[in-house]
Amino acid sequence: QQQVKQSPQSLIVQKGGISIINCAYENTAFDYFPWYQQFPGKGPALLIAIRPDVSEKKEGRFTISFNKSAKQFSLHIMDSQPGDSATYFCAASSGGYQKVTFGTGTKLQVIP
Amino acid sequence: GAVVSQHPSWVICKSGTSVKIECRSLDFQATTMFWYRQFPKQSLMLMATSNEGSKATYEQGVEKDKFLINHASLTLSTLTVTSAHPEDSSFYICSARGQGTTSGELFFGEGSRLTVL
Repeated sequence: QQQVKQSPQSLIVQKGGISIINCAYENTAFDYFPWYQQFPGKGPALLIAIRPDVSEKKEGRFTISFNKSAKQFSLHIMDSQPGDSATYFCAASSGGYQKVTFGTGTKLQVIP
Repeated sequence: GAVVSQHPSWVICKSGTSVKIECRSLDFQATTMFWYRQFPKQSLMLMATSNEGSKATYEQGVEKDKFLINHASLTLSTLTVTSAHPEDSSFYICSARGQGTTSGELFFGEGSRLTVL
């Protein structure tokens, strides 16, 4: 119930391409879905987040698509750059906020 | 954005010794702090939830007596790894949720890498 499944485990994208990472959840009580970016040896940093009352949120080159009925959400990175190379974690939490459940992570490599 | 600071960023200790890691919220008051453990190439695993002025809530399988958590003020939580052993070597990350912040919005520290010899 508390799991958040993330795929793919790793991803290689050419510079300028679109990176797509997918997540799925089971717990319908989740109402906040953030994405975190983590560089090696550093803590995660919030990238973008969405709530289930909207189907899409865009911030710069980053877009979250949310499908409430399918209990899936995805991160799209447009015009991917080498500096985007990092590990990305999707996550979910429920209202009243107690804790965040993380996905398994996707290591993204953007090659020139 | 809000800043969470961890100290030390890395520490090496001998087996059997205790190590304390500090987590501070620098520009906001954190009523709740979380401690995570991350093994190489793996996800973050929540160890415990620390609430200011009360006992921490530990996740299943986490030894309370081994990983002591203290949240004595609204800006500081500490994790003490007692009688550390090589299997405790890991990357420990704290996060904080401030008063009045959006549900689910967490600010993470830079992490503390512990190596137990």
